[in-house]
Amino acid sequence: EDQVTQSPEALRLQEGESSSLNCSYTVSGLRGLFWYRQDPGKGPEFLFTLYSAGEEKEKERLKATLTKKESFLHITAPKPEDSATYLCAVQGNDYKLSFGAGTTVTVRA
Amino acid sequence: DSGVTQTPKHLITATGQRVTLRCSPRSGDLSVYWYQQSLDQGLQFLIQYYNGEERAKGNILERFSAQQFPDLHSELNLSSLELGDSALYFCASSGFSSGESSYNEQFFGPGTRLTVL
Repeated sequence: EDQVTQSPEALRLQEGESSSLNCSYTVSGLRGLFWYRQDPGKGPEFLFTLYSAGEEKEKERLKATLTKKESFLHITAPKPEDSATYLCAVQGNDYKLSFGAGTTVTVRA
Repeated sequence: DSGVTQTPKHLITATGQRVTLRCSPRSGDLSVYWYQQSLDQGLQFLIQYYNGEERAKGNILERFSAQQFPDLHSELNLSSLELGDSALYFCASSGFSSGESSYNEQFFGPGTRLTVL
């Protein structure tokens, strides 16, 4: 069974204080690793898809990287509007998405 | 706005009852997915439909069923409801129209919050 573990569970940052979120995974045949952002009571918002080790993608203050066992989401110089729960998910050979529990990021002004 | 719509936004019902949740995918998307999100379980995949046919099944209870109609909208039916079924239910859609690529990002709707009393 595919498994996704995210750490830390929660992260409190000062505005401008860069940090990284970790997503460790085991999957039978990785077809894609996905990062989503979720605000309270709302649906997850798609951020990135990574397909193979060594791949990197960037969007504004966010950068996602992928290795064979884990992915990192780097937040550079975060702003209060970056506060959200960040979810990682993997898609394996069975095409199903398995989500981690998420990392809740709080950025203080 | 992801382009995926879900109705209703909120649903309050009693144990033992049956409810139907509705989802309209993004224009052109052939795949619809249903997820359950509760505080203690996180986001759990329930079921996927592709162009009207069931494609993948996750941790969906026998009391739950879904279908996708010819116009591609989907419904999730929950019956014999229990207190533990209270959760957010999300629908997502993705596009397979370009071929057999499985690398399609899923776009989520705003969800339906189900409360079972």
